[in-house]
Amino acid sequence: ETGVTQTPRHLVMGMTNKKSLKCEQHLGHNAMYWYKQSAKKPLELMFVYSLEERVENNSVPSRFSPECPNSSHLFLHLHTLQPEDSALYLCASSQGTVGWELFFGEGSRLTVL
Amino acid sequence: AQTVTQSQPEMSVQEAETVTLSCTYDTSESDYYLFWYKQPPSRQMILVIRQEAYKQQNATENRFSVNFQKAAKSFSLKISDSQLGDAAMYFCAYRPSGTYKYIFGTGTRLKVLA
Repeated sequence: ETGVTQTPRHLVMGMTNKKSLKCEQHLGHNAMYWYKQSAKKPLELMFVYSLEERVENNSVPSRFSPECPNSSHLFLHLHTLQPEDSALYLCASSQGTVGWELFFGEGSRLTVL
Repeated sequence: AQTVTQSQPEMSVQEAETVTLSCTYDTSESDYYLFWYKQPPSRQMILVIRQEAYKQQNATENRFSVNFQKAAKSFSLKISDSQLGDAAMYFCAYRPSGTYKYIFGTGTRLKVLA
């Protein structure tokens, strides 16, 4: 596999469920990101990890819990979500702050019922 | 606050014609990077073109070029000889140097008409 892969691609969950989104990058990058993409809104930066340390945390509700066990894997644990959390969740990676660009996965489409 | 504004929610262009997508940004930083990303219907976002703020020369990548006006904080994307495969959402993004904070605009949906 190459690039950034996200699983699952689609997820439907109830408000009381607990689920996780997974992201894996095969690019040798040392920074990984979670973004939330909602229609007609700018992409919202949620979390950034660099060398497995969280370096950005943009006032995200505690019902979203990130985990970065190593520089290749990033998880977003979800619990007691709200319907307004329904969105496309994008994972990305970069080579620290020196690298030029973000490399994105295809996203996980989350629907909260 | 650092913001990126894309004032055109949707644009259309005839195949083989030229189209320009607008982007303005607000920052007090002097060293930063600007990007245009493309998100086709399959959703994976890819980089189209990038510009370092300290470079006066406008970036060009094949049919894609930018008009970077630093004083006006403007960063427009020109697509020449538009192709059906150019149809996508286009996002303008900004990143201050030395940070992980990529800030995106709301996007412009480009339709290419055959």
